[in-house]
Amino acid sequence: DAGVTQSPTHLIKTRGQHVTLRCSPISGHKSVSWYQQVLGQGPQFIFQYYEKEERGRGNFPDRFSARQFPNYSSELNVNALLLGDSALYLCASSFYDSDAYTFGSGTRLTVV
Amino acid sequence: LAKTTQPISMDSYEGQEVNITCSHNNIATNDYITWYQQFPSQGPRFIIQGYKTKVTNEVASLFIPADRKSSTLSLPRVSLSDTAVYYCLVGDGAAGNKLTFGGGTRVLVKP
Repeated sequence: DAGVTQSPTHLIKTRGQHVTLRCSPISGHKSVSWYQQVLGQGPQFIFQYYEKEERGRGNFPDRFSARQFPNYSSELNVNALLLGDSALYLCASSFYDSDAYTFGSGTRLTVV
Repeated sequence: LAKTTQPISMDSYEGQEVNITCSHNNIATNDYITWYQQFPSQGPRFIIQGYKTKVTNEVASLFIPADRKSSTLSLPRVSLSDTAVYYCLVGDGAAGNKLTFGGGTRVLVKP
């Protein structure tokens, strides 16, 4: 069984640009969450989606947005990138929104 | 959301038992306690989850006292590959499971 897959694995963007990160959950999982992990810190919650509806949003600016598609995959979009957005972006999925997560390996975003 | 406090780091030796205690004084009735393990440049990996008393699986045990204001993750007979950061999380599934990760405990297993 494939785990949670994220793409791309690495990317470099310039300040002010826009980025789209993608996540495919484990087959059958209906809940997808996004986390940002800055080097040396624990992951910080950004969004959770369950059955294509937003179930939670962390303390992130409106430059961050996400959506979940009918096949339960998800995209995280970040506009007007700042240097401080450089981080490992993690996607996690679970069957129900109350289950423990399975995380992907993340997308390493570097903003220069 | 309940805040957690755990030691920043711990050292151990191969074959020893490692116990990491997490404090969560304002845990709510609906909250579960979950532990994750993370290696560098990888996503966290679920270890164990519990609500009260003791939970054991093939890799760890989780001890939760009656007042649930703390919990202890026990890793039996650690090996070098158990060197990682361990996170204690407290969350309410009904609240969207937007788990809050703290700084974690960096465990270093020495030969």
